[in-house]
Amino acid sequence: SQQGEEDPQALSIQEGENATMNCSYKTSINNLQWYRQNSGRGLVHLILIRSNEREKHSGRLRVTLDTSKKSSSLLITASRAADTASYFCARWIYGNNRLAFGKGNQVVVIP
Amino acid sequence: GAGVSQSPRYKVAKRGQDVALRCDPISGHVSLFWYQQALGQGPEFLTYFQNEAQLDKSGLPSDRFFAERPEGSVSTLKIQRTQQEDSAVYLCASSPRDTTDTQYFGPGTRLTVL
Repeated sequence: SQQGEEDPQALSIQEGENATMNCSYKTSINNLQWYRQNSGRGLVHLILIRSNEREKHSGRLRVTLDTSKKSSSLLITASRAADTASYFCARWIYGNNRLAFGKGNQVVVIP
Repeated sequence: GAGVSQSPRYKVAKRGQDVALRCDPISGHVSLFWYQQALGQGPEFLTYFQNEAQLDKSGLPSDRFFAERPEGSVSTLKIQRTQQEDSAVYLCASSPRDTTDTQYFGPGTRLTVL
């Protein structure tokens, strides 16, 4: 079963705009990871943020983590058509040997 | 090798048939994971290996599912007497060391049970 994530979002934006998606969880985590999945390239790791970190950047990606609110957000700046994909957050939960994925956020970037 | 590879990429099976799905992880990666992804959902954990040891198989949905990694490298997920509800994409992932590392996913095997 999916681990306590909010209903998935579906975003449709124009190329060049920013896209923000959110992820929430219920249990304590070791780290939180964001992945992208599209039909062409499968599931690709984007960024990992540890529980003691609050913000992390990688290229056009910015991830924030608020452990007090048990939530994370992924911001994609200056979106491109190639960013069209499903984006999943995955939590590494203390005491487990697994990543718990959410249902994902569908992002469509219109050229 | 470049990345995680899986074969076959697509498999169609008649209900009741046995299937075997193969995963070749990145060379030297200690940890290997299998996930099941239904249409429109996120991946769901099935099982985890550290080298050749299967340390967690609590996600396997029934005793028809069996996974092995006998030499600590290639892994096979076997599904016996397939059912229609087994239709999904089966993803394999590997990570270098610790289970909390970034996982590198293969392209998946899309299984369709008729």
